[in-house]
Amino acid sequence: DTGVSQDPRHKITKRGQNVTFRCDPISEHNRLYWYRQTLGQGPEFLTYFQNEAQLEKSRLLSDRFSAERPKGSFSTLEIQRTEQGDSAMYLCASSPPGVMTSGANTGELFFGEGSRLTVL
Amino acid sequence: GQNIDQPTEMTATEGAIVQINCTYQTSGFNGLFWYQQHAGEAPTFLSYNVLDGLEEKGRFSSFLSRSKGYSYLLLKELQMKDSASYLCAVRRLREGGKLIFGQGTELSVKP
Repeated sequence: DTGVSQDPRHKITKRGQNVTFRCDPISEHNRLYWYRQTLGQGPEFLTYFQNEAQLEKSRLLSDRFSAERPKGSFSTLEIQRTEQGDSAMYLCASSPPGVMTSGANTGELFFGEGSRLTVL
Repeated sequence: GQNIDQPTEMTATEGAIVQINCTYQTSGFNGLFWYQQHAGEAPTFLSYNVLDGLEEKGRFSSFLSRSKGYSYLLLKELQMKDSASYLCAVRRLREGGKLIFGQGTELSVKP
């Protein structure tokens, strides 16, 4: 399967612990996005990378959150000193370079299955 | 900022047609997307509109009016497997392709 993959799929941790999620995007995609989703809500944007450069971070991303994409391929999202409010599904998505207003490349985001975090 | 509004829940009958509306307010509009998300699964792309009008893909169609900030997703010949959350998302210019999502519409298809 050459889709977006995320690991781990589920993580249960105690408050105050650090957790790290990994995302492997589709290989030819240069853009990578992290979103957070809670029950009954749409995905909320956290941050995105173009190649290895982190180009935007949401205000939702407190200083306890850090994301990296060191070689422009896989990315990690680390949450330090987790809080119960961090419990959510963390979704990774990727998209190919270039967007056209017509034709096959719509610039759609391809999502992974997500990493579900539960903070006790 | 931007506002994206869609109904929280809808119910429809198997075999029927349902229309899910989405309104948005944004500057620099550069496309509207619809995604389907089954419980516990990843969102999957359904449709994309950047110009006014209707885009049809099998049982699914999506409409856009940029002047009204309005889109709808039309699902025909509903099947039980269409029960899912339907997410409306907007892309803006010069934002690296990121999408801003609405809260999603939970559609329940009844027999």
